[in-house]
Amino acid sequence: GAVVSQHPSWVICKSGTSVKIECRSLDFQATTMFWYRQFPKQSLMLMATSNEGSKATYEQGVEKDKFLINHASLTLSTLTVTSAHPEDSSFYICSASREGISNEQFFGPGTRLTVL
Amino acid sequence: QKEVEQNSGPLSVPEGAIASLNCTYSDRGSQSFFWYRQYSGKSPELIMFIYSNGDKEDGRFTAQLNKASQYVSLLIRDSQPSDSATYLCAVKGGLIFGQGTELSVKP
Repeated sequence: GAVVSQHPSWVICKSGTSVKIECRSLDFQATTMFWYRQFPKQSLMLMATSNEGSKATYEQGVEKDKFLINHASLTLSTLTVTSAHPEDSSFYICSASREGISNEQFFGPGTRLTVL
Repeated sequence: QKEVEQNSGPLSVPEGAIASLNCTYSDRGSQSFFWYRQYSGKSPELIMFIYSNGDKEDGRFTAQLNKASQYVSLLIRDSQPSDSATYLCAVKGGLIFGQGTELSVKP
C-alpha cells in the first residue's frame, strides 16, 4: 500500500512554455502533499505544502506565481511550472502523507524536467 | 547554520563492514527523524524513522538518536554493494533534508 505516482516521469520543453506535473496517491487518501525540487548532487528542497481544497503554502524563496500548485482532491495534486526557463531544469518529486501515520511521507518516483 | 547537516562523503567501506552515517540538526524542538536512501536518478525511499532517544533496530539498520547532543545516526551492518547510495537525514516531520551522505560499499 501507500503508492504515489507521478506523471510524466520526464519531460523536455522549450523555454517559455508551461509544464504540468501530476502527483497521485493510488491507494490512499492524502491529507497533505508536498513538492520538492532536487538539483544534481544536492538535497531535496521543499517547495510547497498543499492540502486538499486550500491554497498551497510556499517555502521562502519559491515563487508562487511561477510554480502553481493545485490540490483538487485527496488523491491528486498538480504542479505547473509556468514560463519555464533552463534554470528550472531539475528533478521534481512529490510526496504524500496520511493523517495519523507518524508523519511518514510516501514519495513519488519523480519527474525529470529539462528546459531547452 | 543549516537546519540539518550531514557529511557529504563519499564514505567508502568494504563489503561486510559497518557503515556509520551521522546527522546533526539545529532545532531542539524537532521530534521526529527520518533516514532515507536515494539511488541515483530515483526518489528517496524510507529506511526508518525514530522519535525517542536511544537505538532503534530494523534488520541490518540501526538508528541512534541523541536529542541532548542533537544528532541522529544510522548504522548499516554487514554492508552490501547494493547499499551504495546517498543517505538522507530528514527532520521536522521529514520535511527538511540534509544534503545527504554518499556511501560506497566496495566488494
